[in-house]
Amino acid sequence: DAMVIQNPRYQVTQFGKPVTLSCSQTLNHNVMYWYQQKSSQAPKLLFHYYDKDFNNEADTPDNFQSRRPNTSFCFLDIRSPGLGDAAMYLCATSREPIGQGAWNIQYFGAGTRLSVL
Amino acid sequence: AQTVTQSQPEMSVQEAETVTLSCTYDTSESDYYLFWYKQPPSRQMILVIRQEAYKQQNATENRFSVNFQKAAKSFSLKISDSQLGDAAMYFCAYRNYNTDKLIFGTGTRLQVFP
Repeated sequence: DAMVIQNPRYQVTQFGKPVTLSCSQTLNHNVMYWYQQKSSQAPKLLFHYYDKDFNNEADTPDNFQSRRPNTSFCFLDIRSPGLGDAAMYLCATSREPIGQGAWNIQYFGAGTRLSVL
Repeated sequence: AQTVTQSQPEMSVQEAETVTLSCTYDTSESDYYLFWYKQPPSRQMILVIRQEAYKQQNATENRFSVNFQKAAKSFSLKISDSQLGDAAMYFCAYRNYNTDKLIFGTGTRLQVFP
């Protein structure tokens, strides 16, 4: 049973047209993450939420935003997608942030592959 | 800044044989965690095995084991008795003890031949 669900699995958008990717989880985890994975590159953390607290990585472009309306859902908004934003976007969750549980294992969704035309 | 390097973009192994995937990392920290994640085609990434830096004993999980060499900053994954279902992309990942951020390598694609 999928515990971290990403929709859609494939998304095609046009250059400059806003797009939203969604992630939901059935694990009731406090922390949700968004990663960008370009072809043949390592997954790169964009930002994460601990509950409603948003934590942005310093090098995440302003073009990327996120919303977390409740524990179960988290959205990735790309305001004006460029060709360079074509990638796999991975959502992950973990039970609690660092300091409250040593391992803090992250559980991943299957990803949304975004194409920009 | 910490980095993780996987120098083998692709590896192949015959079913029932053993294969070792390499990973090196760079950090000035003394407390950290290391992970191997498996990403099958079109499926979610799942944790294979994990290691705490302060533990000298190498982690094992059934057919999966690691060779953790802290001084050399090396963390290789050994898969014994390889199975067709082991075919996937394997990512090595690092995390500081007191942060949430996973730092991944670029991955090794493992093919398993019957």
